[in-house]
Amino acid sequence: EVQLVESGGGLVQPGGSLRLSCAVSDFTFDTYAMSWVRQAPGKGLEWVSTISISGSTTYYADSVKGRFTISRDNSKNTLFLQMSNLRADDTAVYYCARDREQYLMRGGPCLYWGQGTLVDVSS
Amino acid sequence: DIQMTQSPASLSPSVGDRVTITCQASHDINKFLNWYQQKPGKAPKLLIYDVSHLETGVPSRFSGGGSGTDFTFIINNLQPEDVATYYCQQYNDVPFTFGQGTRLEIK
Repeated sequence: EVQLVESGGGLVQPGGSLRLSCAVSDFTFDTYAMSWVRQAPGKGLEWVSTISISGSTTYYADSVKGRFTISRDNSKNTLFLQMSNLRADDTAVYYCARDREQYLMRGGPCLYWGQGTLVDVSS
Repeated sequence: DIQMTQSPASLSPSVGDRVTITCQASHDINKFLNWYQQKPGKAPKLLIYDVSHLETGVPSRFSGGGSGTDFTFIINNLQPEDVATYYCQQYNDVPFTFGQGTRLEIK
């Protein structure tokens, strides 16, 4: 059974940093683009970032560009999101998600999702 | 950036009703339009991809259509378990924007 398990969320002060991880299992990790999507409390979904299969190409929402870095370790079947200079409006549940299809160049429909990890940016 | 305008924001139909949600893109997004269902406290679930392709295991009462900039999502014979928030998303161009969501409750 395909599984995605996020970790690393928590309470952090404004201006601080946090690194999220997403450990995956039961699929060939290095053949799928991966994404992060977030949801602020009581709000809608917001696409954050996508990374290509090899990790050589990354895409970001304007709201996080320059502050967040997506990466992956294909040898450890793990996706990461390094978040720095965090702001109150970054408070959200962060989901990692896997593409529906293999070998897409820049991401597509997300078929599998983790359960989410809460990031709370507050003093 | 491509803006996705989804409507209505909420609706309260009855069991057995036909429900229609629309999503309008600010630019032509070809066929790159998905629909997700999200129940409270749960991760989103992919229902339809590429405008009209039903994901495996999704009941056939769900359907999607449209092209270019105007898209529709339909639920026929609404069931109690369809209570959720529904989102459209384009992936024609980065950023892969979502619509604002449609909250569906049963009357």
